[in-house]
Amino acid sequence: QVQLVESGGGVVQPGRSLRLSCAASGFALTSYGMHWVRQAPDKGLEWVAYFSYDGRNKDYAESVKGRFTISRDTSKNSLYLQMNSLRTEDTAVYHCVKDPPARHGMDVWGQGTTVTVSS
Amino acid sequence: DIVMTQSPLSLPVIPGESASISCRSSQSLLHGNGNIYLDWYLQKPGQLPQLLIYMTFNRASGVPDRISGSGSGTDFTLRISRVEAEDVGVYYCMQALQTPLTFGGGTKLEIK
Repeated sequence: QVQLVESGGGVVQPGRSLRLSCAASGFALTSYGMHWVRQAPDKGLEWVAYFSYDGRNKDYAESVKGRFTISRDTSKNSLYLQMNSLRTEDTAVYHCVKDPPARHGMDVWGQGTTVTVSS
Repeated sequence: DIVMTQSPLSLPVIPGESASISCRSSQSLLHGNGNIYLDWYLQKPGQLPQLLIYMTFNRASGVPDRISGSGSGTDFTLRISRVEAEDVGVYYCMQALQTPLTFGGGTKLEIK
């Protein structure tokens, strides 16, 4: 069964760091692109970052570029999001999302992990 | 960045009737390979977003055929026929042509 399970969220002060993890099962990360998508409280969906299946391409939303880093560990079949210099506007539920080949839509979403940035 | 604009913001529908949601992109989503990279997602209350439609008109696995997508270039429509209670939620369009991927603001479908 294909599943994504995020962890690592929490409450942090502005300027601090957090590392989110996403454990994938039922498929290999080396075969699929992966995204992080976030949803602020009572707001819509916002794409955050992308990691290609072959590891050659990464990309970020402008709002997080230079502060967040997406990575993966193929031995653990896990995706990560290192978040530095956190701001209050980064407060959101963060989902990792699987992206099938040929851009056939984001077909599997993790349940998300909550990040709250507050002083 | 490609800006996605949805309308209406709220959509009250009588069960059994049809509903349409519009999505407009600030630039064409037509790729050189001929595909149009526009997806639709539904987020039911308290649930995760789920993929409904990819590449404008292709239904995701398990999506009933009373839900359909259409459009070309910059104007897109999601149509739901014979609306049921289970269709309630917020519908999002998203362009997958290029990063940054961008979502519309969402349309909340509710039962009248």
